[in-house]
Amino acid sequence: AQKVTQAQTEISVVEKEDVTLDCVYETRDTTYYLFWYKQPPSGELVFLIRRNSFDEQNEISGRYSWNFQKSTSSFNFTITASQVVDSAVYFCALSETMNYGGSQGNLIFGKGTKLSVKP
Amino acid sequence: ETGVTQTPRHLVMGMTNKKSLKCEQHLGHNAMYWYKQSAKKPLELMFVYSLEERVENNSVPSRFSPECPNSSHLFLHLHTLQPEDSALYLCASSPRVAGGGETQYFGPGTRLLVL
Repeated sequence: AQKVTQAQTEISVVEKEDVTLDCVYETRDTTYYLFWYKQPPSGELVFLIRRNSFDEQNEISGRYSWNFQKSTSSFNFTITASQVVDSAVYFCALSETMNYGGSQGNLIFGKGTKLSVKP
Repeated sequence: ETGVTQTPRHLVMGMTNKKSLKCEQHLGHNAMYWYKQSAKKPLELMFVYSLEERVENNSVPSRFSPECPNSSHLFLHLHTLQPEDSALYLCASSPRVAGGGETQYFGPGTRLLVL
């Protein structure tokens, strides 16, 4: 079973629109970590945020905000007033602390959501 | 140099060639990783090193051979590759491996094309 699901394969918006990228995860752990990374066309994965399972407070960083809902196993990412430079593939990832078949500590990535922001 | 660097950024090789990818991290981390990213596939973890010792090898074909001479450098030696090995190869580092929750910092990747 897929542990991290990013159901939106591609999203296209016009500049200044708000956009939310969905991430749903699955784990048996009570302690785990969630991440978002951005991959621009250049290829490098850029770390955006790390959140542990005990901290359900939403976080805002400039135009970026994250909504962690343990009850629905979701960790959604919203970009407010999107810009062309936000165009990239965005990955959500899970890191578990228990060892399930050698997965402890590894980043389990979703398939990514490609965001295109048009001027 | 800062962060994680990778060389070369682009590589074209024939199936009979031998080449190496290099990764260097300037973050003082103790763990390093190789990932493969193919079109339309999730990121695949290939190898994990902790303090120069390989701790994970995810059933990667032997034509990929990693080497970690110290905690700052990681190599991926390539020989007799197949066209399906064409992909973006990403290197990452983190402070530690064990326990989970470590943030991994990635390099820019090497785009490999096997002809």
